[in-house]
Amino acid sequence: EAQVTQNPRYLITVTGKKLTVTCSQNMNHEYMSWYRQDPGLGLRQIYYSMNVEVTDKGDVPEGYKVSRKEKRNFPLILESPSPNQTSLYFCASSPIVLAGVHNEQFFGPGTRLTVL
Amino acid sequence: AQTVTQSQPEMSVQEAETVTLSCTYDTSENNYYLFWYKQPPSRQMILVIRQEAYKQQNATENRFSVNFQKAAKSFSLKISDSQLGDTAMYFCAFMKQGHSGNTGKLIFGQGTTLQVKP
Repeated sequence: EAQVTQNPRYLITVTGKKLTVTCSQNMNHEYMSWYRQDPGLGLRQIYYSMNVEVTDKGDVPEGYKVSRKEKRNFPLILESPSPNQTSLYFCASSPIVLAGVHNEQFFGPGTRLTVL
Repeated sequence: AQTVTQSQPEMSVQEAETVTLSCTYDTSENNYYLFWYKQPPSRQMILVIRQEAYKQQNATENRFSVNFQKAAKSFSLKISDSQLGDTAMYFCAFMKQGHSGNTGKLIFGQGTTLQVKP
């Protein structure tokens, strides 16, 4: 089954304790992206990647890191989480076609993160 | 920079009736896509419908249709014959089209929570 998976689905942690949220897709998509969802703000892009070893900042990258060592995986790293990073996080992937990033992006199930 | 605005934080509708969710956007681009996503209580993001800006014809998907007014930068979603399973948060989103300067970023509105009442 074609899908985007995220782990963990739920995480409660404390300020300053490094964590990684994994994202994996089995559709051989070049493009992957991370969003965070906050009430009243919708979803905002954190980082994106056009292909292996090609990553760039989105609109809200502060406090986050990413890596893209393999095509299928795009982990989100919070090296020193703070309470303002409490949010719902989504990973998404999409193929890149002649017209650019394809207009249908596939979303993972979301990760609810709470930083105390 | 592009922005997307959904001015209705919450709406409700009786089962089997029709409801329209509003969305406006601001962009200087000529080629782009617009989307409506559904987020049920499971939190999964589900693509409901999409519209390519160069197409004048409004997109439809079964009970879901849009009213795309490019000049007015308006993109509303109409849900006909509302069902209890339509209860969800709905997000309007914008994406630039083409290779040049295209980061694949979806720009989302704030969301509208729709409650379908029996």
